[in-house]
Amino acid sequence: RKEVEQDPGPFNVPEGATVAFNCTYSNSASQSFFWYRQDCRKEPKLLMSVYSSGNEDGRFTAQLNRASQYISLLIRDSKLSDSATYLCVVNPSSNDYKLSFGAGTTVTVRA
Amino acid sequence: DTAVSQTPKYLVTQMGNDKSIKCEQNLGHDTMYWYKQDSKKFLKIMFSYNNKELIINETVPNRFSPKSPDKAHLNLHINSLELGDSAVYFCASSQDPAGGYNQPQHFGDGTRLSIL
Repeated sequence: RKEVEQDPGPFNVPEGATVAFNCTYSNSASQSFFWYRQDCRKEPKLLMSVYSSGNEDGRFTAQLNRASQYISLLIRDSKLSDSATYLCVVNPSSNDYKLSFGAGTTVTVRA
Repeated sequence: DTAVSQTPKYLVTQMGNDKSIKCEQNLGHDTMYWYKQDSKKFLKIMFSYNNKELIINETVPNRFSPKSPDKAHLNLHINSLELGDSAVYFCASSQDPAGGYNQPQHFGDGTRLSIL
């Protein structure tokens, strides 16, 4: 089983719609979770960290479900500029420095 | 005021050559990383240095050799380049983990390596 798995999508949504997707992780001892965003031919950029109680940053909401070992990202009121690949990132082991990246979920927001 | 900068941005070279990619960060981080992102878009960790000491060394051919002259720099030298080395190589840096939690990593804008 891969350390981090994501639905590759693509999720094609109209502007203003809500889109949500999950990411599952294999190590129940994982402690650190992030969502990154990667635009085509660009570097990954931190979107938000994911906290145990769930957290919001503007139109973005992240949730952590430890029992089922997944994290989720919800985007409300989608904008054209939200079109990107969203990478789920988890620390896979007791090595505190290593992070594992999912292959990404592609979101395309259309006018 | 670029945070993590890598050079060159593009590198086109022939099979069998030796090349280096340089990375520098001005964030004051102690830890730096090299990742490879291939055509399937998977971002794979290759190496990590913490304060000039190697702490992560994944299964990477020994043609790849990282060097960290100081904690703000992490270079990657590749010997005898092969077709399969074509990919985007990203440098990143982070603060040390705190309270058992990883800190986010900040990425450079990548070096696109193409082997002819």
